[in-house]
Amino acid sequence: AQTVTQSQPEMSVQEAETVTLSCTYDTSESDYYLFWYKQPPSRQMILVIRQEAYKQQNATENRFSVNFQKAAKSFSLKISDSQLGDAAMYFCAYRSARQLTFGSGTQLTVLP
Amino acid sequence: DTEVTQTPKHLVMGMTNKKSLKCEQHMGHRAMYWYKQKAKKPPELMFVYSYEKLSINESVPSRFSPECPNSSLLNLHLHALQPEDSALYLCASSQLTGRNEKLFFGSGTQLSVL
Repeated sequence: AQTVTQSQPEMSVQEAETVTLSCTYDTSESDYYLFWYKQPPSRQMILVIRQEAYKQQNATENRFSVNFQKAAKSFSLKISDSQLGDAAMYFCAYRSARQLTFGSGTQLTVLP
Repeated sequence: DTEVTQTPKHLVMGMTNKKSLKCEQHMGHRAMYWYKQKAKKPPELMFVYSYEKLSINESVPSRFSPECPNSSLLNLHLHALQPEDSALYLCASSQLTGRNEKLFFGSGTQLSVL
């Protein structure tokens, strides 16, 4: 079974600064997909970014980018130019054939 | 329309009550999901419907009964719940395009069982 680990329960960042959220996972599969979802106070889970394991190029979506290290099974999320609206719980997730497995989450606070 | 709509937003029920949660999407998605989320925890998968048929039941107690009347609608019928069932219940939908598919989530129903 796949496991997803987020070792930082809470993080904070100053507005306009950069922050990196960590995620590691364990799998025996070679082809899979990884995701970062955010859950703001509205409670709706929103997809931030996704990465295909067979692609070496790191995914980027505007201010959000990932550092995907397949050999190390690491998938960190970098948020550049942090904004107040980025404050949320961030979940790393692994997609197997059967389902989406979430990590325990990192609560991000953005300080004005 | 890229929304998944869940009603009600909040629900308080007694342990002997029967209630239902409703989820609706009009994106033409063929998979719909129920997740349960406790405070400060990740969502946990409960049920998956693919093409209106139940494809995954994650050993959920029978006091939770899902129903998919059509491709746009998903219900979760609740009966004889326990206080530990209090949680946020999230509905999601997807296109069924493969592992890279994006799940679209609703804002959830916050359930309190007294």
